Amino acid sequence: EAGVAQSPRYKIIEKRQSVAFWCNPISGHATLYWYQQILGQGPKLLIQFQNNGVVDDSQLPKDRFSAERLKGVDSTLKIQPAKLEDSAVYLCASSFSMNTEAFFGQGTRLTVV
Amino acid sequence: GIQVEQSPPDLILQEGANSTLRCNFSDSVNNLQWFHQNPWGQLINLFYIPSGTKQNGRLSATTVATERYSLLYISSSQTTDSGVYFCAPESSGTASKLTFGTGTRLQVTL
Repeated sequence: EAGVAQSPRYKIIEKRQSVAFWCNPISGHATLYWYQQILGQGPKLLIQFQNNGVVDDSQLPKDRFSAERLKGVDSTLKIQPAKLEDSAVYLCASSFSMNTEAFFGQGTRLTVV
Repeated sequence: GIQVEQSPPDLILQEGANSTLRCNFSDSVNNLQWFHQNPWGQLINLFYIPSGTKQNGRLSATTVATERYSLLYISSSQTTDSGVYFCAPESSGTASKLTFGTGTRLQVTL
């Protein structure tokens, strides 16, 4: 069974530029999560989808971050404009439904210079 | 939201030693997961354990949901066990979500 796929693996951008990350969850998984992991910290939930609806986006900085999951499968996370403090690993995860085991992709390492 | 504390924050073991990692959480939970983050950053699923005890090889985990803690046991540690261990309880209620602790950084030396 294929795991959670993310791209790109690495991205370096200048501050004030925009960037987008893509996630393809495990087939059949209705719940999709985006986490931000800053170096030395645990992952922090940015947004959680159930199919194509948002369940929780309370920690998403909505002035610069946006995410969508239009057909309830793939998802994109966008940052516009990026700040230095956005440098982190962005992790995508999926689960069959809420309250079931979640599986993570390899992440996208973003460096903002 | 739920608060998650892990201890110890850092641990150095000699190969072959045993260890216990602890995870305390502040609220009732529907389930709890343990992950190992390897040096390349990949989060590897170890256990999905809302309650009770599970074992997988040299690793085992116990969750006592009524007392709001979980333990991860590593026996006969190997250098490949090095990395960061995270627990992530999923809070109960309609807005359930996985919340990560700050992790335990483990280094196993020869």
